[in-house]
Amino acid sequence: AQSVSQHNHHVILSEAASLELGCNYSYGGTVNLFWYVQYPGQHLQLLLKYFSGDPLVKGIKGFEAEFIKSKFSFNLRKPSVQWSDTAEYFCAVNNPDNAGNMLTFGGGTRLMVKP
Amino acid sequence: EAGVAQSPRYKIIEKRQSVAFWCNPISGHATLYWYQQILGQGPKLLIQFQNNGVVDDSQLPKDRFSAERLKGVDSTLKIQPAKLEDSAVYLCASSLGLQLSGWQDEQFFGPGTRLTVL
Repeated sequence: AQSVSQHNHHVILSEAASLELGCNYSYGGTVNLFWYVQYPGQHLQLLLKYFSGDPLVKGIKGFEAEFIKSKFSFNLRKPSVQWSDTAEYFCAVNNPDNAGNMLTFGGGTRLMVKP
Repeated sequence: EAGVAQSPRYKIIEKRQSVAFWCNPISGHATLYWYQQILGQGPKLLIQFQNNGVVDDSQLPKDRFSAERLKGVDSTLKIQPAKLEDSAVYLCASSLGLQLSGWQDEQFFGPGTRLTVL
């Protein structure tokens, strides 16, 4: 069974600081990788995704993530955070060869950006 | 485009009572998912429907949880009887259901139903 680990449960940054949130998964086969974000009072929404090709993917609002297959990692980055980035971030993975689209989520990282 | 709708938004019940949640997916989405999100954890898939058929219910506690998707559109998730450990947010999501593309289609989530079992 696959699992996803997000090592940082809470992160506090000041505006303009750089962000990197860690994500590691356990499955050794082919995977699709996702980052979802949940802003305060809002529902989960997709930030970016990786299926194949260039391991550096760019998402909305200036976020990017890099897939490093040898490290089973898919870390999320942003060069300069804003107060509006305060949210909870979830990494998720699925196996494209499965009969079902079972997304396995990490435990989430709560990001607070101080103005 | 309207998003995924869920009701109720909040529910408080006592243990051993029953409860039902309703979900209306985005129009045209063949696949519907129910997730359970316990406080401090990520969402965990309970069941996945493709149209009105079950694709994956391996993590659904079938002794107390049931779900149906009549006519391949709306869905209900029921818990009977509820336990204290069922306190969680229950999320419904939908997607186009592009299995042939290797499940690369985005899942769109609803606002969730927060269940408190006392």
